[in-house]
Amino acid sequence: EPEVTQTPSHQVTQMGQEVILRCVPISNHLYFYWYRQILGQKVEFLVSFYNNEISEKSEIFDDQFSVERPDGSNFTLKIRSTKLEDSAMYFCASSVGQGVRDEQFFGPGTRLTVL
Amino acid sequence: GENVEQHPSTLSVQEGDSAVIKCTYSDSASNYFPWYKQELGKGPQLIIDIRSNVGEKKDQRIAVTLNKTAKHFSLHITETQPEDSAVYFCAANGATGRRALTFGSGTRLQVQP
Repeated sequence: EPEVTQTPSHQVTQMGQEVILRCVPISNHLYFYWYRQILGQKVEFLVSFYNNEISEKSEIFDDQFSVERPDGSNFTLKIRSTKLEDSAMYFCASSVGQGVRDEQFFGPGTRLTVL
Repeated sequence: GENVEQHPSTLSVQEGDSAVIKCTYSDSASNYFPWYKQELGKGPQLIIDIRSNVGEKKDQRIAVTLNKTAKHFSLHITETQPEDSAVYFCAANGATGRRALTFGSGTRLQVQP
């Protein structure tokens, strides 16, 4: 069964450093998403991406964040200058992008620890 | 924006009993309500969803009900099994056609054998 994959599974970085989280969405999906979950808190929407541009973003997704689809398979989230409060589990998701029921499939997540 | 409240935060049942998790949402424009199961170390997995044009949907031991007037929806799991133990999240899309999901705070379900 096709699945969303994410790398790395765990990333440790120093405050102020740039990090890039990588995702490979399901191959025939057209919509891509990033969510995050701070330990013990809700899953929060960050951004959605369609047709090589951001289709929606939350207040969390400020100028420190960017997304890119650098090739036909990868979808990346970049945090330019990490802060302690960026420590969280980051989930990538993808969906077909068509039809009434557009199920979002989530990857296993990348745990980001900012020291 | 949309706000989703979920109760209870933890739920312990005996194997074979039923479990009910409840959510309320704030934005009457929400029209898509998925439920996700998250096992330890894994991402959320969709288990059932419902759109606002129906009041109830069932898939084997799992059912979801939606009350648009009261803006609440519930997950019902019957004949619970130990493998149902996980964290369950409800979510809502916040507006017709919107894809970004607003999640509830999660319910940790423990099924005692």
